Amino acid sequence: RKEVEQDPGPFNVPEGATVAFNCTYSNSASQSFFWYRQDCRKEPKLLMSVYSSGNEDGRFTAQLNRASQYISLLIRDSKLSDSATYLCVVKRAGTALIFGKGTTLSVSS
Amino acid sequence: NAGVTQTPKFQVLKTGQSMTLQCAQDMNHNSMYWYRQDPGMGLRLIYYSASEGTTDKGEVPNGYNVSRLNKREFSLRLESAAPSQTSVYFCASARGSQETQYFGPGTRLLVL
Repeated sequence: RKEVEQDPGPFNVPEGATVAFNCTYSNSASQSFFWYRQDCRKEPKLLMSVYSSGNEDGRFTAQLNRASQYISLLIRDSKLSDSATYLCVVKRAGTALIFGKGTTLSVSS
Repeated sequence: NAGVTQTPKFQVLKTGQSMTLQCAQDMNHNSMYWYRQDPGMGLRLIYYSASEGTTDKGEVPNGYNVSRLNKREFSLRLESAAPSQTSVYFCASARGSQETQYFGPGTRLLVL
């Protein structure tokens, strides 16, 4: 079983839709959690960190459920510019980042 | 502020040739990383350097060597390129090993 698993999608949604991605991680010792965004043929960029209490950044909401070992990302009012691949990332103490394979989102007009 | 820069952007090699991928950061970060990204495989860590003077193997180190030349620069060397090393290579840096990583624009390598 991969340490970080995501549904690869693609998720095809119209502009204005709300879309949610989930990610599961297998190691309960994971300490830090992030969502990165990667545009086609570009480098990954940090979208947001994920905190235990959940956190919001504009239209984006991230949540962490340690008991079930999953992380979610909710995007409200989707824009065309949100089309990208979203990477779920976890970290345990003393290790480098562990990346999921990504979930592809396509927003259409 | 350039952030993380990588050279070259593209490279085509023949099997058996060698080359060095260069990475530099101007953010005074301590930690630097080399990843490869292949379709359907996600990002995989090749080598990392937690601080100047140290390097450690990641998930897929075979066929590669690295040098942390100074705090700014971290190079990745392919001594004898193989078609299996065709990939996109990303360098990243972070203030510390627990901190957010910032990625360079990548090097697209094709080994024939």
